[in-house]
Amino acid sequence: AQTVTQSQPEMSVQEAETVTLSCTYDTSESDYYLFWYKQPPSRQMILVIRQEAYKQQNATENRFSVNFQKAAKSFSLKISDSQLGDAAMYFCAYYSGGSNYKLTFGKGTLLTVNP
Amino acid sequence: DAGVTQSPTHLIKTRGQQVTLRCSPKSGHDTVSWYQQALGQGPQFIFQYYEEEERQRGNFPDRFSGHQFPNYSSELNVNALLLGDSALYLCASSLAGTGARWETQYFGPGTRLLVL
Repeated sequence: AQTVTQSQPEMSVQEAETVTLSCTYDTSESDYYLFWYKQPPSRQMILVIRQEAYKQQNATENRFSVNFQKAAKSFSLKISDSQLGDAAMYFCAYYSGGSNYKLTFGKGTLLTVNP
Repeated sequence: DAGVTQSPTHLIKTRGQQVTLRCSPKSGHDTVSWYQQALGQGPQFIFQYYEEEERQRGNFPDRFSGHQFPNYSSELNVNALLLGDSALYLCASSLAGTGARWETQYFGPGTRLLVL
């Protein structure tokens, strides 16, 4: 079974600085997708960024980028120029697709942004 | 463009009771997934409905059941509530049948269930 591990329960960053959130996963699949979701206090889960395992190039979305290391099964999220609105719980998630339709989530990292 | 909506936002029940949660998918979506998120945990997959059938089920007991209607909306039913069923229940919708391997799941705001 696939598992997703987020080893940092909490992280903090100063406004305008950069922070990296860690995620490792375990799978025997060769083709899959990885995601970072953000869950602010409003509770709504918002997709931040997606990475296809077959792509070697790391995904980027504005201030958000990932470091995908397939051999190491590592998928970290870098937030540059942190803003107060980035404060939220961040979840790493795995999806294998095909006939497996579920997202498997880690336990999350609570990010605090200090002004 | 209406996003995923869920009702009610909060609910309080007592042990042994039954509860029904509702979800309307994002406009144009035909698939609904349900997740349970316990406090301090990541969401856990309950099941997914497509074409009014349960397409995949997670590791949850039969007390958890669901339904999808012809308009693609969905209900999650939980019978014989236990204290441990207290959680945030998230609904996610997606569009299937496009031939793509990945179906982006969009989440609703959730229903907070408290079982006393």
